[in-house]
Amino acid sequence: QSVLTQSPSASGTPGQRVTISCSGSSSNIGSNTVNWYQQLPGTAPKLLIYSNNQRPSGVPDRFSGSKSGTSASLAISGLQSEDEADYYCAAWYDSLNGPVFGGGTRLTVL
Amino acid sequence: EVQLVESGGGLVKPGGSLRLSCAASGFTFSSYSMNWVRQAPGKGLEWVSSISSSSSYIYYADSVKGRFTISRDNAKNSLYLQMNSLRAEDTAVYYCARGGGDYVSATFDYWGQGTLVTVSS
Repeated sequence: QSVLTQSPSASGTPGQRVTISCSGSSSNIGSNTVNWYQQLPGTAPKLLIYSNNQRPSGVPDRFSGSKSGTSASLAISGLQSEDEADYYCAAWYDSLNGPVFGGGTRLTVL
Repeated sequence: EVQLVESGGGLVKPGGSLRLSCAASGFTFSSYSMNWVRQAPGKGLEWVSSISSSSSYIYYADSVKGRFTISRDNAKNSLYLQMNSLRAEDTAVYYCARGGGDYVSATFDYWGQGTLVTVSS
């Protein structure tokens, strides 16, 4: 059981907007920034969003992040087939004195 | 171009030891924290250990504390993970990941391709 809770799966059709959520507590998301990682099948993870809502260079603006209280969300607009991947949230966990990941959400593009 | 290349994985018996290495290039290694993150077959990501840029701060997940040791050699642009008393549940792909700055955080902005560690008799 992960400290950060994500729905195991999500799906959408091409062009649609989908949202992936990540729920935590006051000791992690509530007091620290959230990052999101994308892992395409058979590849290493890639930083997608950092500091709640910042995109690294090269990440399309179709991807956006937000945080409110002890929860965070990743939104993907204009869904494309190449967005089919596993998505993980992560945040520093004060009680652990280390970072924690969510369990991951597998996004399927129908 | 930032590159992280892990090596040292393989098959080891329970109770055995293994040392992973990560060779870094394309950036000023001594200015960034570094991390190990693992992924068991078919499972999610699990943070293993982190080390600050000057090795002043070191952190471990509870699951590996006392068995694994992270270290770095800034002169050689290399990160290491010494793994002792290995268990079946340590079987995973181990990724080397660069931190977002000189301090340790949950930001991993570049990742290696990973090296597979299999613990089995």
